[in-house]
Amino acid sequence: QKEVEQNSGPLSVPEGAIASLNCTYSDRGSQSFFWYRQYSGKSPELIMFIYSNGDKEDGRFTAQLNKASQYVSLLIRDSQPSDSATYLCAAYPPNNNDMRFGAGTRLTVKP
Amino acid sequence: ETGVTQSPTHLIKTRGQQVTLRCSSQSGHNTVSWYQQALGQGPQFIFQYYREEENGRGNFPPRFSGLQFPNYSSELNVNALELDDSALYLCASSSDRLTDTQYFGPGTRLTVL
Repeated sequence: QKEVEQNSGPLSVPEGAIASLNCTYSDRGSQSFFWYRQYSGKSPELIMFIYSNGDKEDGRFTAQLNKASQYVSLLIRDSQPSDSATYLCAAYPPNNNDMRFGAGTRLTVKP
Repeated sequence: ETGVTQSPTHLIKTRGQQVTLRCSSQSGHNTVSWYQQALGQGPQFIFQYYREEENGRGNFPPRFSGLQFPNYSSELNVNALELDDSALYLCASSSDRLTDTQYFGPGTRLTVL
């Protein structure tokens, strides 16, 4: 079992819809969770981080964390074609600086 | 832009050669982590440097080594290159060793022939 798992996709949504990206993690002690966006051929770009259970909103993006279920999600409202990218979920294991990444979910937003 | 820079952008080497990749961290950041990202995969942690000392290492062989300098810039050295070393190499800087947000540089694309 991989430590951080994501559906590889591709996930396709129409412009203006809500895109929902999901991630699960295996180490229950993980405390910090991150979502990065990566355009093809580019490096990962931080979208959001979340440490506490519940929702965290930043503009069109909402991260959700449920530590009991070991589940992190990212919602993108009013999806735009420019949101088309691979979204990487990452987590730090407890007492460790080795950030673990999922393989990423490829999102396509169709005009 | 994160303020993290890497050089070179692209590099082509042959099997058995050695390579050095460079990273300049964001101003105010004293921690640099290096990652290898193969095509279609998430980044894999190679190692981290904090104040010039290695501070954690992933599952990579000793031919992957690094340095961090007093100005917190860093190098990744790979000896005896293998075909499977072809990947995007990313460095990320952060302001603390543990659990801090990491900001990535643009990466170096290494191709080993």
